[in-house]
Amino acid sequence: DTGVSQDPRHKITKRGQNVTFRCDPISEHNRLYWYRQTLGQGPEFLTYFQNEAQLEKSRLLSDRFSAERPKGSFSTLEIQRTEQGDSAMYLCASSFVSTEAFFGQGTRLTVV
Amino acid sequence: GENVEQHPSTLSVQEGDSAVIKCTYSDSASNYFPWYKQELGKRPQLIIDIRSNVGEKKDQRIAVTLNKTAKHFSLHITETQPEDSAVYFCAAGDAGNMLTFGGGTRLMVKP
Repeated sequence: DTGVSQDPRHKITKRGQNVTFRCDPISEHNRLYWYRQTLGQGPEFLTYFQNEAQLEKSRLLSDRFSAERPKGSFSTLEIQRTEQGDSAMYLCASSFVSTEAFFGQGTRLTVV
Repeated sequence: GENVEQHPSTLSVQEGDSAVIKCTYSDSASNYFPWYKQELGKRPQLIIDIRSNVGEKKDQRIAVTLNKTAKHFSLHITETQPEDSAVYFCAAGDAGNMLTFGGGTRLMVKP
């Protein structure tokens, strides 16, 4: 599968624990995006990168959220001190500059 | 920032009928309007998109229209089939940048 790949697909964690998700974009796509989707809602933009540069991070939900794309290829999204309200689907997407974005299957996070 | 509203939230049609989903946006700087289809438990998939220099675009049974003056755009699906049943999301923004999504429309096509 040469599409956007996300790992893990599902994550159950206890409140207060840290979690990290990985996204592998479509090869050669230089833009990578993170969105959050809660049940019954549309995806909500969190942050995005062009290569390794994080171009927008003001939409990250709190300072507990951070993202990296250290070598301009895969990216990680970390949530520290998880809360029950963090339970959601976390979607990654990638694109070239000025082209359509393709989404991954997402990581479903459940905080218990 | 951009705000996108989508209507209706649910839509039920008979197989073979047409379905129309409408979205409005607030930021006149938005120039890219994609539509995504999301089946239960699956990733959002792009089905069609339109840029602000075009008023209408068609792809087989799917068409999108854009009215920049009124800041609204619509998805039209003709000859609906049961496999069209899914949640559809509109979005607005700038291609290659952040998108703002609508709340989604659950389309049910009854055989």
